[in-house]
Parts: sequence; C-alpha cells; structure tokens
Amino acid sequence: SQQGEEDPQALSIQEGENATMNCSYKTSINNLQWYRQNSGRGLVHLILIRSNEREKHSGRLRVTLDTSKKSSSLLITASRAADTASYFCARAPIDAGNNRKLIWGLGTSLAVNP
Amino acid sequence: EPEVTQTPSHQVTQMGQEVILRCVPISNHLYFYWYRQILGQKVEFLVSFYNNEISEKSEIFDDQFSVERPDGSNFTLKIRSTKLEDSAMYFCASCRQGTYNEQFFGPGTRLTVL
Repeated sequence: SQQGEEDPQALSIQEGENATMNCSYKTSINNLQWYRQNSGRGLVHLILIRSNEREKHSGRLRVTLDTSKKSSSLLITASRAADTASYFCARAPIDAGNNRKLIWGLGTSLAVNP
Repeated sequence: EPEVTQTPSHQVTQMGQEVILRCVPISNHLYFYWYRQILGQKVEFLVSFYNNEISEKSEIFDDQFSVERPDGSNFTLKIRSTKLEDSAMYFCASCRQGTYNEQFFGPGTRLTVL
C-alpha cells in the first residue's frame, strides 16, 4: 500500500506550546503536501515540500522531509486556539506521472486549549 | 484570491437517484480532481482529469461515476444510481500544472444518500 500513517492520531496542547505531527509513507514520492481541515469543512493547503527538499517554512509552520526514512513532520510553533483542526499529509507518488493524485493518511486531530 | 467553488454544499438524495455535483476550478488551472471522504475515514482519490479526458481513476470510480467539463469553467461529477455507501463529503480540486504544484480544494459537497 502507498498509504502511510500520521502520528499521533490525536494531540492536545495548551496555547503557546509547539505541536509536532509526523507522517510516514511507504513508497517513493514526488512531493508531499500538508493540509488542514476544520471540523466538517474543506481542505486548506498549508505547505508543499518536494522530494529534493529537506525543510520548508511558512509563518509559524515548519515542515521537514526525510526521504531516507520516508517520513515528514509538521511543526506548528506558538500554537493558538484557532489552530485546532485536523492535519493531513498527502503524498504525490513518484509513479503518478503528471496527474499527481494525492494519497492521504487518517490525519492528526489537534486540539489547542486556551 | 481565486478559489475553487462547489455546489451544492449539501445534497440529500434517495438511493437509486442520480446526482450531479458541480465544481468551478481556478480559472488558469489545467488538472482537475475529485476526492471523497467518508465520515471519519481517509480522503480517497476518485479521478483526475486533464485535456478534456480522464487521466486516471481509482477502483472506487466505477461505471456509476462519470465526470464532465461541459464548458470552460464547470467540472462535474455524476453518480448515476446512488447507493447508501456513496454518502460522503466530495471534494473537487484543481492544480495549475501537474508537476510540483499544490492542489487547491473546494469546500466540499456533503452527499447524504437515504
């Protein structure tokens, strides 16, 4: 299976703390994308990291990618209550050609308590 | 900022009925996708569409499903004879080009089959 896993499945932290979510996968990728989903709502794109990149930043978000370990992590620094959501990593398999379908995990449910 | 739109936001239908879910992708995007998310489960790829034809489809996308781009702006998903297990959130996404580009998602259509 090309699908990987996010861990933890659920994470509860206090406002101001950092949140780290991990994603592992099994087959080679072209890129990996992180998305956020508020309860019952749409998928919001956060960051795309290419297979030849190791780290990317966007505001309070930091994504790392280790292709040798087939894993990625999303760090949210100085979390806010508004960060409460589910976070997904979605992999674009290297054999998907130009179609770049995304393969998703179950996600991490993050709760940031005020 | 351009965004993907989807209508309706919620569709309730009787088993066996046909439904059409509509999407307007971002105007200069070339690749279009449908995904679905059954409540509490992973987001699943259904189909990708490029150059007015299906470029890839999953095993979920059987003969009951079809997609169409009837004009220069709309992208539709039709389910010919809905089943109870088709109840899910359906997401449309678009991508500017196939390689290394983020997929931008619409807010989704929640389909409930009774």
